[in-house]
Amino acid sequence: SQQGEEDPQALSIQEGENATMNCSYKTSINNLQWYRQNSGRGLVHLILIRSNEREKHSGRLRVTLDTSKKSSSLLITASRAADTASYFCATPRGGNKLVFGAGTILRVKS
Amino acid sequence: DGGITQSPKYLFRKEGQNVTLSCEQNLNHDAMYWYRQDPGQGLRLIYYSQIVNDFQKGDIAEGYSVSREKKESFPLTVTSAQKNPTAFYYAFYLCASSSSVGDSNQPQHFGDGTRLSIL
Repeated sequence: SQQGEEDPQALSIQEGENATMNCSYKTSINNLQWYRQNSGRGLVHLILIRSNEREKHSGRLRVTLDTSKKSSSLLITASRAADTASYFCATPRGGNKLVFGAGTILRVKS
Repeated sequence: DGGITQSPKYLFRKEGQNVTLSCEQNLNHDAMYWYRQDPGQGLRLIYYSQIVNDFQKGDIAEGYSVSREKKESFPLTVTSAQKNPTAFYYAFYLCASSSSVGDSNQPQHFGDGTRLSIL
């Protein structure tokens, strides 16, 4: 079963705007990861946030984690057309296996 | 550059035919994984391996087989037992690896996938 569920399913914005995607999960975790997938390609790891962290930054990416609400958000600031992709959250389930959500499709219009 | 190489990029399979998808990594990772991604969907785990000569079933292992004879290689065979939802169908198969067995704080590294179309 899916552990993480992303919201919204799809998001369309103009270049320069910010994009926010949310992920909810069901069980306790020790970290949450975000991945990007360009069309027809494999997934690329973006950022990992541990359960004792509330916020993490990487370039134009900002990830927050609220363990009390079992939710995370990914913010992409000043979006570019090249950010057009699907974004997935993933949570661990036993050892180093991951469970992926169904993803958010982001389209950035130039 | 280190990475994961999947081949072929596109593959066609007829009903009743077995096909094998290749996955090779030069990252010196212990753990390797196979996922299936149906159109517009997330990833589902087929098989994973944490060490050479050992592998475990994931969530949708029926109709698939794997081997792990070398650390670098984790081929996936789609067997004739694999059921397909429609007459014409395709799925995207993704291979991944991670460095530390049992450590969930390690990211997974992915290949660029094989698109398998069923005729």
